[in-house]
Amino acid sequence: GNSVTQMEGPVTLSEEAFLTINCTYTATGYPSLFWYVQYPGEGLQLLLKATKADDKGSNKGFEATYRKETTSFHLEKGSVQVSDSAVYFCALQGGSEKLVFGKGTKLTVNP
Amino acid sequence: ETGVTQSPTHLIKTRGQQVTLRCSSQSGHNTVSWYQQALGQGPQFIFQYYREEENGRGNFPPRFSGLQFPNYSSELNVNALELDDSALYLCASSYTTSGGGNEQFFGPGTRLTVL
Repeated sequence: GNSVTQMEGPVTLSEEAFLTINCTYTATGYPSLFWYVQYPGEGLQLLLKATKADDKGSNKGFEATYRKETTSFHLEKGSVQVSDSAVYFCALQGGSEKLVFGKGTKLTVNP
Repeated sequence: ETGVTQSPTHLIKTRGQQVTLRCSSQSGHNTVSWYQQALGQGPQFIFQYYREEENGRGNFPPRFSGLQFPNYSSELNVNALELDDSALYLCASSYTTSGGGNEQFFGPGTRLTVL
């Protein structure tokens, strides 16, 4: 079945550092790919998405490119802020509509 | 436009009891999905309702059941609660079209603690 594997955390960075969180997937067909963010005590917010190969999703300085050849969707940001501290989830959505999530990566950004 | 809302926010139950969680979908949406998020884990798909019918189910036992109402709001019922049912329960609504891959919008969740 479909599955998502993402980088184990936690990740601790200093403000303005470069961020990469790796995500790879296994799926049949051509899934849509997502990054969600969860702030402490809250639900999930969609950060960005890509629906086909080579698409780049971007939002709030975060980017991820749908790489079919490497089945990857790595999240990057050039300069993180303290306010980016949260848990980040990579997810895929196949034809059945349900979302399949990775285990999450906790990011802490220190001033 | 009202977003997805869930009630209650927190709930404490004991083993063997039954619980009902509620979700109001975003205006214009016709599909509701429920997810269970255990502490430190990613959300796991429980089931989805589309036009009041179950439209897919994850690997959860039958004591997890649901309903969707004509206004597209939904309930998640869990019978015979077990300690491992302690989790954050997330509801997500979307508008299903034939093309699929429709974005799901999440509510804030209900934190269930089973003692």
